[in-house]
Amino acid sequence: DIQLTQSPSFLSASVGDLVTITCRASQGVSSYLAWYQQKPGKAPKLLIYAASTLQGGVPSRFSGSGSGTEFTLTISSLQPEDLATYYCQQLNSYPRITFGQGTRLEIK
Amino acid sequence: QVQLVESGGGVVQPGTSLRLSCAASGFTFSSYAMHWVRQAPGKGLEWVANIGYDGSKKYYADSVEDRFSVSRDNSKSTLYLQMNSLRAEDTAIYYCARVTYSGSYRVIDYWGQGTLVTVSS
Repeated sequence: DIQLTQSPSFLSASVGDLVTITCRASQGVSSYLAWYQQKPGKAPKLLIYAASTLQGGVPSRFSGSGSGTEFTLTISSLQPEDLATYYCQQLNSYPRITFGQGTRLEIK
Repeated sequence: QVQLVESGGGVVQPGTSLRLSCAASGFTFSSYAMHWVRQAPGKGLEWVANIGYDGSKKYYADSVEDRFSVSRDNSKSTLYLQMNSLRAEDTAIYYCARVTYSGSYRVIDYWGQGTLVTVSS
């Protein structure tokens, strides 16, 4: 199985900050990587797919980059509503998809 | 608009069975593959099972292989997860999710709100 490791596991940042979350894969996944946002008590919401393509309706402050084994989710200017846990997901071994362990983002 | 609504969760004893349903609307259900993903309380997301658009292909996580069975009724736009021999570690919120395509990329784009399964004696 392909393992995904996110760092950090917890992040505290202030409104307006630049935030970066990293996802590393145990083997190459090409660009078959997505990012999700999960707010407390809610289902995951797709933010980015194909490593860098923004899902429709997602604010442009979110961006993704990377390929192979290292990927990054960036929030250019953190907003209060971005309080959530963020997960990466690989689809290279589809249908046996896997998720990172999550990064909990707190607003200072 | 696309809607996925899970139901069937509850509190059950270890060793018993439960069937979850996921009612789909707002899209042509029979054209889309579907997944079940679960989330134990306070934990991360775990893929459970996948079924192709016509039900001919099914895949399972090792943790549920031989105990869970995924199926679908395209005439009713409904996805199912039959869960047998339930264990305490199966306690989780169960989400159904839709697969779509963007070019050559599969995208899991819509998720239901989830249904909670608690396995406890």
